[in-house]
Amino acid sequence: DTAVSQTPKYLVTQMGNDKSIKCEQNLGHDTMYWYKQDSKKFLKIMFSYNNKELIINETVPNRFSPKSPDKAHLNLHINSLELGDSAVYFCASSPPSGTNVNYGYTFGSGTRLTVV
Amino acid sequence: GQSLEQPSEVTAVEGAIVQINCTYQTSGFYGLSWYQQHDGGAPTFLSYNALDGLEETGRFSSFLSRSDSYGYLLLQELQMKDSASYFCAVRNDYKLSFGAGTTVTVRA
Repeated sequence: DTAVSQTPKYLVTQMGNDKSIKCEQNLGHDTMYWYKQDSKKFLKIMFSYNNKELIINETVPNRFSPKSPDKAHLNLHINSLELGDSAVYFCASSPPSGTNVNYGYTFGSGTRLTVV
Repeated sequence: GQSLEQPSEVTAVEGAIVQINCTYQTSGFYGLSWYQQHDGGAPTFLSYNALDGLEETGRFSSFLSRSDSYGYLLLQELQMKDSASYFCAVRNDYKLSFGAGTTVTVRA
């Protein structure tokens, strides 16, 4: 029943490892996003995909590679993890602009990544 | 780019009214949104203003003045469960850009 689900919820890993976070939405939305929330709670967009196509890449290091196999899924793969990657990563989705006056994003529950 | 300014913290007692102001600078603007986030939780959508004026949803209201690049979120009849972080966000092409958030603490 969950609208936007992401897994895993917690991820603890060593520096240098590669890890993936998965995200799926069942809302029929066209656009999906990855946001990073740092320890000061600042939410920063990383990527935006519309109908499986990359629309926005906000100067994210190329160690981060999103993949959207279809418009309901947007996964995030991170290579060579660094200490500074520790944060909470949120997946979100939204309906097409203009189709909903209350233009709200729906966020997943977040993945807390800790790099040690 | 975008920049949004909102107060970092507000403390109030139960039953009080709190107003969280947000000023923004952005290239391309479709509307101003507000999100609530409890500790350990996900941001949840509260309101969206595309046009000038006040939108009311229960105890929460949101206001926008496009000419002043300014908006606010009004929390009325504060309850303990309203203790959370509140983010304003501007919507433009294909993304929401968030302010740094306002931590609201409600005291008994």
